[in-house]
Amino acid sequence: GAGVSQSPSNKVTEKGKDVELRCDPISGHTALYWYRQRLGQGLEFLIYFQGNSAPDKSGLPSDRFSAERTGESVSTLTIQRTQQEDSAVYLCASSLVTGSGNTIYFGEGSWLTVV
Amino acid sequence: DQQVKQNSPSLSVQEGRISILNCDYTNSMFDYFLWYKKYPAEGPTFLISISSIKDKNEDGRFTVFLNKSAKHLSLHIVPSQPGDSAVYFCAASFLNTGKLIFGQGTTLQVKP
Repeated sequence: GAGVSQSPSNKVTEKGKDVELRCDPISGHTALYWYRQRLGQGLEFLIYFQGNSAPDKSGLPSDRFSAERTGESVSTLTIQRTQQEDSAVYLCASSLVTGSGNTIYFGEGSWLTVV
Repeated sequence: DQQVKQNSPSLSVQEGRISILNCDYTNSMFDYFLWYKKYPAEGPTFLISISSIKDKNEDGRFTVFLNKSAKHLSLHIVPSQPGDSAVYFCAASFLNTGKLIFGQGTTLQVKP
């Protein structure tokens, strides 16, 4: 696709339920990132995939969060047993290659509200 | 531990004047710095970047200055336009990783 595509664009879920957020990166981009932005806060790194290397999971806030990526394609971010503090916009991004200076391109985000 | 900080949550300037957005960082090993702009309900978009070996990079109305001794960078927008009103994030990265560490953002409002 022309840009990074995320779905759903909006999700309201009940506390305790699991949610899956999907990201389609720009075709050919080997690196894929997940960030989140909670209300009034900055962008918080969650996880980063680069090719076949082990993902950098250092930003995942708890073991309720996990992410997978199929090859150099789609990624799914899963949040189990959602809590109200998980409410945020979850942003996916991709870049052509890794390394400093490589521009990363963001999707429009998936807005998650946990009630 | 906030490695990248934007201490001003908001800034308001008059159209045509200069906007100066500031960013401080704590890790001297960062080797690349970037600025992203974000409109409401959209993802951030890349604006301009600078390598740690440089002290200035200019692109049209946008100039980024890097002061490594002070661990400080700034984004200058001149002349400012109402369409520049957005949230601006600075970010930093290390060599050989695409992971960006973002500041909290500064909301810029340019008044006509």
